[in-house]
Amino acid sequence: QVQLVESGGGVVQPGRSLRLSCAASGFTFSTYGMHWVRQAPGKGLEWVAAISYDGSNKYYAASVKGRFTISRDNSKNTLYLQMNSLRTEDTAVYYCVEGGLVGPTTFDYWGQGTLVTVSS
Amino acid sequence: DIQMTQSPSSLSAFVGDRVTITCRASQTIRTSLNWYQQRPGKAPKILIYAASSLKSGVPSRFSGSGSGTYFTLTISSLQPEDFATYYCQQSYSTPPWTFGQGTKVEIK
Repeated sequence: QVQLVESGGGVVQPGRSLRLSCAASGFTFSTYGMHWVRQAPGKGLEWVAAISYDGSNKYYAASVKGRFTISRDNSKNTLYLQMNSLRTEDTAVYYCVEGGLVGPTTFDYWGQGTLVTVSS
Repeated sequence: DIQMTQSPSSLSAFVGDRVTITCRASQTIRTSLNWYQQRPGKAPKILIYAASSLKSGVPSRFSGSGSGTYFTLTISSLQPEDFATYYCQQSYSTPPWTFGQGTKVEIK
């Protein structure tokens, strides 16, 4: 069965960096687009970033563009989110999500999430 | 960017009630509309895709309808396990993939 397991969350000071990882299994990772979606405490869902199956296309929400970088290593079945210049408003649970990038798409599989807390 | 607006923000209903949640898009999205359920402390789960198609394994009491800018999610007979927050999401004009603000369903 499909499994997405995030790691790398924690408490970090404003302005610092953090890298999230998502280990994928149970499907052919190298043929699927992937996303990061976040949820601030008590708030709704916010799409953060997306990457095509081969890593050639990347997209970002305006709120993170220039600070976050999405990447993947298909040889390791792993998705990454490098988060730089973190702000208090980046505090959220970050979900790794399998989903296409072209045409009407669905977010079919979600990880359990990893909590990032940005605080001094 | 396309904005998605859900109503109501929250509702309370009895087990067995019929419940309807609405979602409006700021411009047409044809039928590129998905619905997700998020139970407390859990990751979201897809229920409905393409406005009205039920995802495999989802109980038939859930249904979706609509096109263009107006969509609904209906639970025909509310069950205790349906206590959750529901989100609509558009995938017509991306990026970004945008979600509604959510509708919290509480059981009376």
